[in-house]
Amino acid sequence: AQTVTQSQPEMSVQEAETVTLSCTYDTSESNYYLFWYKQPPSRQMILVIRQEAYKQQNATENRFSVNFQKAAKSFSLKISDSQLGDTAMYFCVHGSYKLIFGSGTRLLVRP
Amino acid sequence: GAGVSQSPRYKVTKRGQDVALRCDPISGHVSLYWYRQALGQGPEFLTYFNYEAQQDKSGLPNDRFSAERPEGSISTLTIQRTEQRDSAMYRCASSLEAGGATGELFFGEGSRLTVL
Repeated sequence: AQTVTQSQPEMSVQEAETVTLSCTYDTSESNYYLFWYKQPPSRQMILVIRQEAYKQQNATENRFSVNFQKAAKSFSLKISDSQLGDTAMYFCVHGSYKLIFGSGTRLLVRP
Repeated sequence: GAGVSQSPRYKVTKRGQDVALRCDPISGHVSLYWYRQALGQGPEFLTYFNYEAQQDKSGLPNDRFSAERPEGSISTLTIQRTEQRDSAMYRCASSLEAGGATGELFFGEGSRLTVL
């Protein structure tokens, strides 16, 4: 069975600084995807970034990038130049034919 | 529709009553998922459909929970004989591709169920 572990329940960062959210996962699948989803106070669920497990190159989306270590089953999210609008709950997600969510990291960006 | 629509947005019911939660996915989306999310927690997988076929129901907590998607579009999650522990936000999501996990999931705003 797939599991996703986010060991940081809460994090805080100063506006314009960089922050890294950690995630580890366990899976027996050889082909899978990894995602970071963001849930702001509005409770909407928004896709931040996606990584195909067969790709060695780390995915980037503007200020968001990942460090994907397949052997270690690690998938961290780096947010550069943090903005107040980045304040949200962030979920690490493992996907093959279904998405399994981690418990989330609540990120607060301080002005 | 423009997005995934769920109804009702809020449901308060008494223990022992049955409830039906509806999800109307984005038009043309093949996959439809149901998740349950407790406050401060990540969404917990319940079940998913490709078209009208239920592919995986391993996340349904017990036999009081069931789901259907008879015409491959709108889906209903039914909880029979509700219990207080069923209180949660129930979220529906849809995806353009079959399987869905390879692409982006579009989530509805959820149905918040409170069982008294």
